[in-house]
Amino acid sequence: NAGVMQNPRHLVRRRGQEARLRCSPMKGHSHVYWYRQLPEEGLKFMVYLQKENIIDESGMPKERFSAEFPKEGPSILRIQQVVRGDSAAYFCASSPYGEGYTFGSGTRLTVV
Amino acid sequence: SQQGEEDPQALSIQEGENATMNCSYKTSINNLQWYRQNSGRGLVHLILIRSNEREKHSGRLRVTLDTSKKSSSLLITASRAADTASYFCATDLGNDMRFGAGTRLTVKP
Repeated sequence: NAGVMQNPRHLVRRRGQEARLRCSPMKGHSHVYWYRQLPEEGLKFMVYLQKENIIDESGMPKERFSAEFPKEGPSILRIQQVVRGDSAAYFCASSPYGEGYTFGSGTRLTVV
Repeated sequence: SQQGEEDPQALSIQEGENATMNCSYKTSINNLQWYRQNSGRGLVHLILIRSNEREKHSGRLRVTLDTSKKSSSLLITASRAADTASYFCATDLGNDMRFGAGTRLTVKP
């Protein structure tokens, strides 16, 4: 079991471009969570998804951010028209629900 | 919004000493979990304590939970330099997890 796989590990985007972050959950896990971590801060919840459903997106900015977890393939966190303030580490976690989460190593987004 | 609040924000101790970190939260929880994060790395799950449990051990880790005070503590005994990391408590609200800002532990050799 390869664990939670996130790619890319590092992503550099110019202001105004789109960023697409991918997360493949652990085998057998159907619950995916996305978190953002700013430097020197804790993780902030963004969105919770199950296959083909968004369960809780209360932590997602209203504009430019979207997430999906299709029936086939990884979960995608998409940030359109990135700005410098989007620079952060984005972590994905998966869970069989009710137990400890398994986190990926994160994607570090830098907007220049 | 943030749920867990860790205390202290930073802790520096000598190798061999014990380290105690505290976490307070605001709402009812299903369980509370502690994670470790080494600099620049992802989180590693350490221990989960359910809302009906009061204490749990795992190796050199001891976690307590007081639901009446809405607080938890993580004790690391006989600390090692390799324990240097940030430690986060996370509360499971049912639909998602909420993390505090973490305690940065430095263990000096």
